[in-house]
Amino acid sequence: QQQVKQSPQSLIVQKGGISIINCAYENTAFDYFPWYQQFPGKGPALLIAIRPDVSEKKEGRFTISFNKSAKQFSLHIMDSQPGDSATYFCAASFGSNDYKLSFGAGTTVTVRA
Amino acid sequence: DTAVSQTPKYLVTQMGNDKSIKCEQNLGHDTMYWYKQDSKKFLKIMFSYNNKELIINETVPNRFSPKSPDKAHLNLHINSLELGDSAVYFCASSPTGFRGYTFGSGTRLTVV
Repeated sequence: QQQVKQSPQSLIVQKGGISIINCAYENTAFDYFPWYQQFPGKGPALLIAIRPDVSEKKEGRFTISFNKSAKQFSLHIMDSQPGDSATYFCAASFGSNDYKLSFGAGTTVTVRA
Repeated sequence: DTAVSQTPKYLVTQMGNDKSIKCEQNLGHDTMYWYKQDSKKFLKIMFSYNNKELIINETVPNRFSPKSPDKAHLNLHINSLELGDSAVYFCASSPTGFRGYTFGSGTRLTVV
């Protein structure tokens, strides 16, 4: 069963708009929440990550918001550009000795020029 | 200068055959992984090795056998291929204690 639920499955946004992708988890032991970006024909690439002691993390146009009590986190892509068109995956893992990332199902983002 | 390289990039084979996928990383990472991405793009871990030692073996048919000759290499051998094995297989690596993976570009396996 999927440990991280991701929505929406796909979204279309106009250039300059905001893309928002949401993820929810059940396992409160998770303590590391990364987002990966995948372009067609390529492997996923680490975009940004957050730990649960922080409610928000921003890197350039990408921001993670984290709500520990709701067990939810989200990725906001500000000023979306056509080059941001890709599939985005949220993920989670726990423990310093656990090397396994559990991925969400992915969101395909299309940015229209 | 590719960080995590997989070969081959594409593999088309018949049911029942045996095939191998090779993975090498030049990042000096201690941990390597195999992930399977299905047709719906869902990523699921198969195996993880730390310093050549198997540490994660998810519920994967024993037709799949990983081998790590050294910490820079993690190969995947698949016996008796089935139609359901068709997927993209990704190799990844990370330094010990850091969970930000570096993925390879994937191997698209098609079983016909």
